[in-house]
Amino acid sequence: EAQVTQNPRYLITVTGKKLTVTCSQNMNHEYMSWYRQDPGLGLRQIYYSMNVEVTDKGDVPEGYKVSRKEKRNFPLILESPSPNQTSLYFCASHRDSNTEAFFGQGTRLTVV
Amino acid sequence: TQLLEQSPQFLSIQEGENLTVYCNSSSVFSSLQWYRQEPGEGPVLLVTVVTGGEVKKLKRLTFQFGDARKDSSLHITAAQPGDTGLYLCAGGPSGTYKYIFGTGTRLKVLA
Repeated sequence: EAQVTQNPRYLITVTGKKLTVTCSQNMNHEYMSWYRQDPGLGLRQIYYSMNVEVTDKGDVPEGYKVSRKEKRNFPLILESPSPNQTSLYFCASHRDSNTEAFFGQGTRLTVV
Repeated sequence: TQLLEQSPQFLSIQEGENLTVYCNSSSVFSSLQWYRQEPGEGPVLLVTVVTGGEVKKLKRLTFQFGDARKDSSLHITAAQPGDTGLYLCAGGPSGTYKYIFGTGTRLKVLA
């Protein structure tokens, strides 16, 4: 079954404690991206990757890091989380940047 | 920053009414997707429009892509409570590798 697997689903952490949200896809897609969704602000792209070892900033990259060492995995790293990073996060995978996005289940992150 | 602006932002209508949601940008898109999202879940694709002027129908939903490929619309005929949800347009602006989402239209259909 084609899917994007994102973990964890829920996470509560404290300010400054490094965390990683994992994302994996089994569709051999080249393009993957991370979004955060906040009330009234919609889905905003954090980072995207066009292929292995190729990543670039989206519209809201500050405070986040990503890596794409393998085609199937695209983890999101928060080196020093802050309360303004409390949000609902989605990982997405597409064949390319002009085609349908397939989404993970979402990660609801709370930073206290 | 490229933007996809949707209107209206919120819409509350009675069952059986018709409605149209608009998605506008100053950027050109090679294609646009429309998604529907339920609370706490990821968006799910409804349709992709590719050709300027294209009209696609999905049961009671009609999607149109503007001639200049800068705008799109979603028309729902005889809305039903099951149509309630957040509707999003999205696409990759030409000349970039980004994939951006519209601001969203939250639809509520009352029985």
